[in-house]
Amino acid sequence: DADVTQTPRNRITKTGKRIMLECSQTKGHDRMYWYRQDPGLGLRLIYYSFDVKDINKGEISDGYSVSRQAQAKFSLSLESAIPNQTALYFCATSDPAGGVDTQYFGPGTRLTVL
Amino acid sequence: KQEVTQIPAALSVPEGENLVLNCSFTDSAIYNLQWFRQDPGKGLTSLLLIQSSQREQTSGRLNASLDKSSGRSTLYIAASQPGDSATYLCAFRSGNFGNEKLTFGTGTRLTIIP
Repeated sequence: DADVTQTPRNRITKTGKRIMLECSQTKGHDRMYWYRQDPGLGLRLIYYSFDVKDINKGEISDGYSVSRQAQAKFSLSLESAIPNQTALYFCATSDPAGGVDTQYFGPGTRLTVL
Repeated sequence: KQEVTQIPAALSVPEGENLVLNCSFTDSAIYNLQWFRQDPGKGLTSLLLIQSSQREQTSGRLNASLDKSSGRSTLYIAASQPGDSATYLCAFRSGNFGNEKLTFGTGTRLTIIP
């Protein structure tokens, strides 16, 4: 089984709808991240959480919110989706133990907002 | 603000050739850099991580180098194979302790021609 899973894998929705993307991990990592990937722009950080009680805004948090329900679960919400939020969304986890904070990525969720 | 550039955006080479992918960055105050591989429909897989105090790392046919003074990193792939076809992303970790972030390049799409 994959260590980092994302649901759904694909979603098509309409402008104004509320959408939740979910991420679960079995790696036991405290740190979790949400990124979006757009063609020609690379991955950009939306939100990150270093433990269950810690939530931080990333580079492009406007229009998004997150919830860290447990160490293993980190959800991303779009309260009112708009077309320019069409992108590929990735969840990632990491563990800085040993001084090497490698990130492990989920398979991604492709979101299309019409 | 850290900016990361990967040129070219796409590269095609015949099977068996050695090749080099390039990554340049603007801020030399980095903790480490990573090279990732991204396959369609899948997440990112970490290939190599170089700490800021290191000059290179090797894994099998892959060798990554880091030159902080010139703001450059390269990923060398020896004896390329069709299975190496993927998008390759570099990412730098920078920032203050507890507030580190990864900054990604836009990627190079590599195609190995059988």
